[in-house]
Amino acid sequence: DAGVTQSPTHLIKTRGQQVTLRCSPKSGHDTVSWYQQALGQGPQFIFQYYEEEERQRGNFPDRFSGHQFPNYSSELNVNALLLGDSALYLCASSASGQYSNQPQHFGDGTRLSIL
Amino acid sequence: GNSVTQMEGPVTLSEEAFLTINCTYTATGYPSLFWYVQYPGEGLQLLLKATKADDKGSNKGFEATYRKETTSFHLEKGSVQVSDSAVYFCALSGNDMRFGAGTRLTVKP
Repeated sequence: DAGVTQSPTHLIKTRGQQVTLRCSPKSGHDTVSWYQQALGQGPQFIFQYYEEEERQRGNFPDRFSGHQFPNYSSELNVNALLLGDSALYLCASSASGQYSNQPQHFGDGTRLSIL
Repeated sequence: GNSVTQMEGPVTLSEEAFLTINCTYTATGYPSLFWYVQYPGEGLQLLLKATKADDKGSNKGFEATYRKETTSFHLEKGSVQVSDSAVYFCALSGNDMRFGAGTRLTVKP
């Protein structure tokens, strides 16, 4: 049973570019959340998708957008990249439906470096 | 809003020492509380959870009790091993998941 898978594992971009990160949730999970983890910090919640809609959003600008597909996989898009966007981006899934307190299962993340 | 405050590290212990990592929270309602562990180069793994007051979560020798009166969820282990070296995150789940800043634990043989 595959867990949460993310691609790519590493990515290098330059300022102003756009990036798309991908996530496949754990089998049986229907809810996907995205987090940004800066070096030495805890994960910061970006947003959560359920039933192909953004359900909750953290304190991130509109440059960060996402999508969930009918098979529950998800993408995170970041436009107009800034140096400060360099971080580990984590995807987490849960079989939780709406407003659940179920634990989330995390992927190993995508390390994004902005030059 | 909801928030988690976690004991700052790093923490360095000798093998078989007792471990406590403090975690306090601020929340409305009745959130669930979690401890996650992150090994180098990996994502977060759920270590234990508690969903209501006075619940005790436990796993792999680690324990934490959901204390509503002190708004705390301290992580403890009676005898740490070198393999426990990792970063530990306390987290709170309401409408979203809030994480503490993490505590790096190093266990020396």
